[in-house]
Amino acid sequence: NAGVTQTPKFQVLKTGQSMTLQCAQDMNHNSMYWYRQDPGMGLRLIYYSASEGTTDKGEVPNGYNVSRLNKREFSLRLESAAPSQTSVYFCASSELPGQSNQPQHFGDGTRLSIL
Amino acid sequence: AQSVTQLGSHVSVSEGALVLLRCNYSSSVPPYLFWYVQYPNQGLQLLLKYTTGATLVKGINGFEAEFKKSETSFHLTKPSAHMSDAAEYFCAVSDNRGSTLGRLYFGRGTQLTVWP
Repeated sequence: NAGVTQTPKFQVLKTGQSMTLQCAQDMNHNSMYWYRQDPGMGLRLIYYSASEGTTDKGEVPNGYNVSRLNKREFSLRLESAAPSQTSVYFCASSELPGQSNQPQHFGDGTRLSIL
Repeated sequence: AQSVTQLGSHVSVSEGALVLLRCNYSSSVPPYLFWYVQYPNQGLQLLLKYTTGATLVKGINGFEAEFKKSETSFHLTKPSAHMSDAAEYFCAVSDNRGSTLGRLYFGRGTQLTVWP
């Protein structure tokens, strides 16, 4: 019963490097989300995908890109990492697009440090 | 736009004492409200949610929350704290109209410490 799986769990990058965070869900959910969590800031939405083939910006999209590869997978890319992007990144999914009473299911996070 | 305020970034209680974590929201339409819990080095888990119907909502691990529209509040309570309740708790409100339907807006979190 995997749920939402994120890889890698930890990563250290140098400023200017690029990397892609992977997320996959096995619950046949339609909507997927990427958040970042910083101390004292709660979770802030970076990008989301209401359904396969669509993506939209959240609160803090600058410096990131996303790809909804198929219904299961939603990746987050940092093209040129900056120290301000040091954070814990969470992927989440929910069953139905545009349904505001649906809970979101979260992965265990990717802890990213940028030096 | 939706917003959530959690009063108190840290709450400490003794084992067996009442747990009260406060959450107030701002929403122009009737909201859907959620409480999530995060244990160290883990993702968020759903504790409970309010959508419609009964305003007192029961969740997992003995937690409950009451939706009070007049106070725009959704406080989380547990009658008797257990050591295993130590975690960070997040209140969230769902966007329930327009193009951002289904998005969640989170409070900044409350770290609960339980003393033996």
